[in-house]
Amino acid sequence: GDSVTQMEGPVTLSEEAFLTINCTYTATGYPSLFWYVQYPGEGLQLLLKATKADDKGSNKGFEATYRKETTSFHLEKGSVQVSDSAVYFCALSRWGSNYKLTFGKGTLLTVNP
Amino acid sequence: DARVTQTPRHKVTEMGQEVTMRCQPILGHNTVFWYRQTMMQGLELLAYFRNRAPLDDSGMPKDRFSAEMPDATLATLKIQPSEPRDSAVYFCASGPLPTTATTGELFFGEGSRLTVL
Repeated sequence: GDSVTQMEGPVTLSEEAFLTINCTYTATGYPSLFWYVQYPGEGLQLLLKATKADDKGSNKGFEATYRKETTSFHLEKGSVQVSDSAVYFCALSRWGSNYKLTFGKGTLLTVNP
Repeated sequence: DARVTQTPRHKVTEMGQEVTMRCQPILGHNTVFWYRQTMMQGLELLAYFRNRAPLDDSGMPKDRFSAEMPDATLATLKIQPSEPRDSAVYFCASGPLPTTATTGELFFGEGSRLTVL
């Protein structure tokens, strides 16, 4: 079945540091890929997405590129801020599974001033 | 500002009691999901509705959990009887019918935090 594996956290960085959170997936066909973010005490919000190979999703300085050859969708940001502290979830959906989202376990990011 | 509304936000109950959680999806959204979040298991899909019809409830313990959409503006998740292992945050999410442009775009409520003593 479909699965998403993302790097174990927690990740702790200083403000303005470079961020990478790794995500790989297993799925048949051509899934769409997503990053969701969950701030403390809130529900998840869509951060960015990519629907086909080599697409780059971007939002709020975050980027991720759909790499079909490595089945990866790593999240990056060049300079993190304290306000980026949250849990980040990688996810996939595809037509064959009725488009339901399959999530990774989440990665807690803490950014210190 | 359209958003998914969940009630209650917090619920503390005793083992054996019935718990009902409610969700009002965003007007016009045709898909509704129930997820459960715990530290140990992360996010688990419990049930999924499209146009009010259940598409997938394989993640839900059938003996005690039930999910329904009595109308387009209300989804319910009921646990009877509740057990301590049901303690978690339950999220409802809604989205438009999936197309190439909208697939996977779910809007989450703020969750219902359930504690079963």
